[in-house]
Amino acid sequence: QSVLTQPPSASGTPGQRATISCSGTSSNIGSHYVYWYQQLPGTAPKLLIFRDHQRPSGVSARFSASKSGTSASLAISGLRSEDEADYYCAAWDDSLSGVGFGGGTKLTVL
Amino acid sequence: DVQMVESGGGLVPPGGSLRLSCEASGFIFGSHWMHWVRQVPGQGLVWVSRISSDGNITTYADSVKGRFTISRDNAKNTLNLQMNNLRDDDSGLYYCVKPVHQYDSRSLGDWGRGTLVAVSS
Repeated sequence: QSVLTQPPSASGTPGQRATISCSGTSSNIGSHYVYWYQQLPGTAPKLLIFRDHQRPSGVSARFSASKSGTSASLAISGLRSEDEADYYCAAWDDSLSGVGFGGGTKLTVL
Repeated sequence: DVQMVESGGGLVPPGGSLRLSCEASGFIFGSHWMHWVRQVPGQGLVWVSRISSDGNITTYADSVKGRFTISRDNAKNTLNLQMNNLRDDDSGLYYCVKPVHQYDSRSLGDWGRGTLVAVSS
């Protein structure tokens, strides 16, 4: 049972836009920043988005994110085959006194 | 470049102990909180523990409280996780993680490659 709720899968064709949702509560997303990670097969997670919508240097502008209330979303525009990966959302959770994660969304580029 | 290299994983029977280490480089280690995160291969991420930059504050997931101890040696740029009374569900790849920003205690930024722990008889 994950702290945050994500759809298990998402898909799109090359060039399309895909979105991944992340739902939480007032103890996590509702009161703390949201972070997004990309995990390519066989590798460690990589930070994609920090503080709700900010991109680290080196992350493509095709990745964007937003937050409203207790929900957040990640958007990937101009889908490419190399975007196929697992995507995780995360936020500090006051009830846990720790970082809560979503269960992960497997993105398939058809 | 920021780098964390974990070590110490292995196969251990239930009830056994293991000590994980993480050697950090490329940033001012002593100015950053640090975290451990676990992932069972093919499954999701689970936060395990964090420690303040000076080592005085530690926090644990409920599932490991009383069994795991996080510590650090800032002189050696090393983070440790002592794991005692191990259970089957402690198995997984353990990542050492640096926060996004200095003095930030609640975010996960740069990740090591992980060290694999297998608890099995």
